[in-house]
Amino acid sequence: NAGVTQTPKFQVLKTGQSMTLQCAQDMNHEYMSWYRQDPGMGLRLIHYSVGAGITDQGEVPNGYNVSRSTTEDFPLRLLSAAPSQTSVYFCASSRNRQALMRGYTFGSGTRLTVV
Amino acid sequence: GENVEQHPSTLSVQEGDSAVIKCTYSDSASNYFPWYKQELGKGPQLIIDIRSNVGEKKDQRIAVTLNKTAKHFSLHITETQPEDSAVYFCAAVMEYGNKLVFGAGTILRVKS
Repeated sequence: NAGVTQTPKFQVLKTGQSMTLQCAQDMNHEYMSWYRQDPGMGLRLIHYSVGAGITDQGEVPNGYNVSRSTTEDFPLRLLSAAPSQTSVYFCASSRNRQALMRGYTFGSGTRLTVV
Repeated sequence: GENVEQHPSTLSVQEGDSAVIKCTYSDSASNYFPWYKQELGKGPQLIIDIRSNVGEKKDQRIAVTLNKTAKHFSLHITETQPEDSAVYFCAAVMEYGNKLVFGAGTILRVKS
């Protein structure tokens, strides 16, 4: 049981490049989400999904796309990277929306630098 | 939407002393308040939580208190140890909400 797996752990992109941050969980969790962590700003929700085929925007969705074709995977796509997207990205999952009340399981993060 | 403010942003204490981190929330409909601990290079981990029908909850050296009227809740760590050094986040969510809203985080340093 690996929990929430994020790849890659580190990435450097040039401005304008695109890439996909991968997130996979093996706990059969319905709810998955992406956060970005910036100094002094805590964890801000980018996108979330309450189940396969269903996604919704969080607090800071601009510049990011998501899809949820399977229960296990929730990739985050940066369409045209900008220096403002330099951050640490965390994927988190929960058994379902109601289980948010019992906490998230977080991945170990992806540190992204856009130059 | 919900807004969670957290103070202080950094906190240094001597080993063995107590540490208190405070959060306020804006949406009176929020009724679940977890605390997460993030160690260096890792994702946050849930350490304790409290629901709005409870005023205080303890788990060994950590405790959380909630004042629903004032819309604030606090994390208390007693007899601090060097391994308590980490970033701590408070959060809030409504029972039927889709989103967990986090505070900005507190960097706790325990000096030995």
